[in-house]
Amino acid sequence: EPEVTQTPSHQVTQMGQEVILRCVPISNHLYFYWYRQILGQKVEFLVSFYNNEISEKSEIFDDQFSVERPDGSNFTLKIRSTKLEDSAMYFCASSSLPGQSYNEQFFGPGTRLTVL
Amino acid sequence: DQQVKQNSPSLSVQEGRISILNCDYTNSMFDYFLWYKKYPAEGPTFLISISSIKDKNEDGRFTVFLNKSAKHLSLHIVPSQPGDSAVYFCAASANSGAGSYQLTFGKGTKLSVIP
Repeated sequence: EPEVTQTPSHQVTQMGQEVILRCVPISNHLYFYWYRQILGQKVEFLVSFYNNEISEKSEIFDDQFSVERPDGSNFTLKIRSTKLEDSAMYFCASSSLPGQSYNEQFFGPGTRLTVL
Repeated sequence: DQQVKQNSPSLSVQEGRISILNCDYTNSMFDYFLWYKKYPAEGPTFLISISSIKDKNEDGRFTVFLNKSAKHLSLHIVPSQPGDSAVYFCAASANSGAGSYQLTFGKGTKLSVIP
């Protein structure tokens, strides 16, 4: 069964460092998303990506964040200068069709980011 | 800003009985609702969804009910099995017109099915 994969499973970094989180969405999917979950809190939307551009982004997704689909299979989230409050579980998701009836988003296992 | 609320943080049910997980929402623009199940150290796994044009959707042991006037939905699991023990998230989306269908999640309900 196709699945979304994410690497690494756990990333530890120093405050101020850049991190890149990687995702491989399901191959025939067209929409890609990043969400995060700070420990004890809700899963929160960060950004959606379609047709090689950002469709929508939340207030969390400020200038420190960027996304890219560099090679047609990988989907990356970059945080340029990490802050302590960026520590969270980051989930990548993908979905196949843009219509509302088909908005089942499939999630990867997540990357736990720890900023020290 | 809790647009999607799951007011019960936890629920314990005997194996074989019905589990009912509840979810309320405030945003009347939501028109598609989903339930996800999550085990520790894993990503959310899609379970079942319902469009706002329906009031019920069934898939095996899982049934989702939607009451639009009350802005309430529920997930019924019957019969409950120990393997159903997990955190269940309610999520909703609205057609923002931007071509994105971001999900807004509730805080989750931890279901424990007791053998």
